[in-house]
Amino acid sequence: DQQVKQNSPSLSVQEGRISILNCDYTNSMFDYFLWYKKYPAEGPTFLISISSIKDKNEDGRFTVFLNKSAKHLSLHIVPSQPGDSAVYFCAASEGNTGKLIFGQGTTLQVKP
Amino acid sequence: DSGVTQTPKHLITATGQRVTLRCSPRSGDLSVYWYQQSLDQGLQFLIQYYNGEERAKGNILERFSAQQFPDLHSELNLSSLELGDSALYFCASSLGGNSGNTIYFGEGSWLTVV
Repeated sequence: DQQVKQNSPSLSVQEGRISILNCDYTNSMFDYFLWYKKYPAEGPTFLISISSIKDKNEDGRFTVFLNKSAKHLSLHIVPSQPGDSAVYFCAASEGNTGKLIFGQGTTLQVKP
Repeated sequence: DSGVTQTPKHLITATGQRVTLRCSPRSGDLSVYWYQQSLDQGLQFLIQYYNGEERAKGNILERFSAQQFPDLHSELNLSSLELGDSALYFCASSLGGNSGNTIYFGEGSWLTVV
């Protein structure tokens, strides 16, 4: 049972435009959500996180939105840059362990 | 650089053999995690330690074991290796052991079983 889902395997946007990556989850006990960026054969790099008590968190060009009633979160990147091209993973955790449950990832391509 | 150090970066070994992957967490982090990423799989959680004690267990095979030492470094032992164990193994660390802590990943150890 996939508790964290990223239903779009890939996304292509033009440089300077907005990239929106989506993530859905099924476990209502998740209380912390994170986004990671990953290049092939490298470790995931932490981008931004949000607690379940918030609905928005912003860090520079990156904003994460959380809709608890819909069990949905999204990552907005504005403006998108070619260097943002990578695989983006959504992850979630709950309770007294920090273990992360990851989505399958979305490959973002930003075209110059 | 996340501050999480993993060795070796690459290794090739034969089926039936045993290997040990080593991880040094970020300075000050008490919790260590191990993840596996196979070609056709996402990032799968294996096991978590917090300050030397096992905190959570995922889909870790019985042929695999791990531990966290008093100096907080961790080792993942993989034995009776099979072709299907070929994967990228990530170590990660966080300050605390609960949800709400940001987890930082190392660069991974690429294991090839032939």
